[in-house]
Amino acid sequence: QLQLQESGPGLVKPSETLSLTCSVSGGSISSNSYYWGWIRQPPGKGLEWIGSIYYSGGTYYSPSLKSRVTMSVDTSKNQFSLKLRSVTAADTAVYYCARPNPYDFHFDNWGQGTLVTVSS
Amino acid sequence: EIVLTQSPGTVSLSPGERATLSCRASQSVSSSYLAWYQQKPGQAPRLLIYGASSRATGIPDRFSGSGSGTDFTLTISRLEPEDFAMYYCQQYGRSLWTFGQGTKVEIK
Repeated sequence: QLQLQESGPGLVKPSETLSLTCSVSGGSISSNSYYWGWIRQPPGKGLEWIGSIYYSGGTYYSPSLKSRVTMSVDTSKNQFSLKLRSVTAADTAVYYCARPNPYDFHFDNWGQGTLVTVSS
Repeated sequence: EIVLTQSPGTVSLSPGERATLSCRASQSVSSSYLAWYQQKPGQAPRLLIYGASSRATGIPDRFSGSGSGTDFTLTISRLEPEDFAMYYCQQYGRSLWTFGQGTKVEIK
């Protein structure tokens, strides 16, 4: 059974870079046709898609975050990562990694989420 | 970018009642790429419906999805106590994913 687990600092200072990693177990991150994604949820608010990366490295980002986001895949570690630059308090959120279904593109596997707070 | 607008923002109902949640898209969405999720406090979202009307594995048949084009609906035929939660719709198109802002189903 596929499992995803987010990891990274829980506290980031304003203007710095938020870095998170999602470790994948129970399946290979380099399996054909799979995307891997990041979604966030500010406290008390709704879900926001951040971006998705194809198993071969192609990236797709939310237009509202595109200028600050970089995603990458590390097949040797079976992980994928998120970097969000120049963070502000508005970036405080629970960050989820998830895998979209390769046919219908719904998210059928989710990590438990990790809270990242932006504060000095 | 396709914007999804969910209504109502909050609905107050009693157990046993029927819930009808709406998701309206700013542009036409392929029915294959419209999904619904349930989220409870402190938990990751749980997939309920994909392809607009297909129930995910293990989802009770009191949950049903319908719609096409720009108008989609999630119906809960008879609310059980565990169904009081947040519900989100989500679409995929042109390599972009978006979520609606959510509907809260609360106990009346």
